[in-house]
Amino acid sequence: NAGVTQTPKFRVLKTGQSMTLLCAQDMNHEYMYWYRQDPGMGLRLIHYSVGEGTTAKGEVPDGYNVSRLKKQNFLLGLESAAPSQTSVYFCASTPMRGQTYEQYFGPGTRLTVT
Amino acid sequence: AQSVTQLGSHVSVSEGALVLLRCNYSSSVPPYLFWYVQYPNQGLQLLLKYTTGATLVKGINGFEAEFKKSETSFHLTKPSAHMSDAAEYFCAVSEGGAGGTSYGKLTFGQGTILTVHP
Repeated sequence: NAGVTQTPKFRVLKTGQSMTLLCAQDMNHEYMYWYRQDPGMGLRLIHYSVGEGTTAKGEVPDGYNVSRLKKQNFLLGLESAAPSQTSVYFCASTPMRGQTYEQYFGPGTRLTVT
Repeated sequence: AQSVTQLGSHVSVSEGALVLLRCNYSSSVPPYLFWYVQYPNQGLQLLLKYTTGATLVKGINGFEAEFKKSETSFHLTKPSAHMSDAAEYFCAVSEGGAGGTSYGKLTFGQGTILTVHP
């Protein structure tokens, strides 16, 4: 199993450009999450999904949109990038069964907005 | 709402010395507690977790943590530091046992960077 993968690994955007980050998991997990990591602030939840076709807002959702058309994929979109969105983005997933909520993380996407 | 506070953004120890990373949390329901480690330019890896049962939990790489409900703490320890332990460590809390609308969402602390000196 590849676990949780993220595409791309690095990206540089100009202010106002748009892009989509892709997260894929091959563990048949029901729940998926997008976080951003900024120095001294830990990880903050952007959006999450509890199943195919469902999404919900997390702690810092402004400026981002998400979609989960397939169970294994969770997309994070930036419609008009801003320098404040320069960050490292992590995707995670967890199975619903068992409910210990251990999350499995991808390797991250480092995004710079100039 | 739940929150996590990690005391000390940087901790420095000598190789072979005790490692103690502090974590305090607040939660309105019985929490699930986690420690994750992040090596440079990598994702997060689970070190250990507390859900229910024994309050002293052992994890990978010789780390352990004790859940103290009365102190709302979940401090991470390792008896003898190794150079390979140098990394950033995150404490996280989930309203696990509540089920319902928690959906496993994690609230993270700010992180503690551990430096190990020869």
